[in-house]
Amino acid sequence: KAGVTQTPRYLIKTRGQQVTLSCSPISGHRSVSWYQQTPGQGLQFLFEYFSETQRNKGNFPGRFSGRQFSNSRSEMNVSTLELGDSALYLCASTPLMMNTEAFFGQGTRLTVV
Amino acid sequence: AQTVTQSQPEMSVQEAETVTLSCTYDTSESDYYLFWYKQPPSRQMILVIRQEAYKQQNATENRFSVNFQKAAKSFSLKISDSQLGDAAMYFCAYRRETSGSRLTFGEGTQLTVNP
Repeated sequence: KAGVTQTPRYLIKTRGQQVTLSCSPISGHRSVSWYQQTPGQGLQFLFEYFSETQRNKGNFPGRFSGRQFSNSRSEMNVSTLELGDSALYLCASTPLMMNTEAFFGQGTRLTVV
Repeated sequence: AQTVTQSQPEMSVQEAETVTLSCTYDTSESDYYLFWYKQPPSRQMILVIRQEAYKQQNATENRFSVNFQKAAKSFSLKISDSQLGDAAMYFCAYRRETSGSRLTFGEGTQLTVNP
């Protein structure tokens, strides 16, 4: 079974630009969550999508948005990039049953210059 | 809001020895899940072990075991017979029973294994 796939792996953007990151969950997993990892703030929850609906949202500005498609693939978008958005963005997928763990992708390393 | 605290930013252990990583959490919930994840230099988070709060028995996975103290809100990870491949950042994580898949992570503990 293929794991969680995140694309691209690395990305360099300029301040003010926007970026879209993609996450393909494990087949059959309907929940996709996004996390931002930085040395200063650690791992912070961005949002969760389940059956194309946002089910949970973390404490991030509206510049951060996401969506989920009918095949459970998810994208997150960051508009008007700031230097502080430089981070590792991790995607995790979870099956329907709640008493199980999340499976993570290898992340997208975003650098804003 | 739930919080997870890992008070040891760095730990080191000799190969084949035992090490314990600490984690405490704060919650008013009675039903929840706790996890230890490992993040090697490849950056991919890998589940090490999980514990359901309603289970009194401590979880064990081969060389990895936990000491879950619900009343004290403590969830430590013991790694026995440490191996070089255990070197990584370890994160303690909490998930509420009713919060979907949202995880709250601790700050992490960087584990070094010395040969």
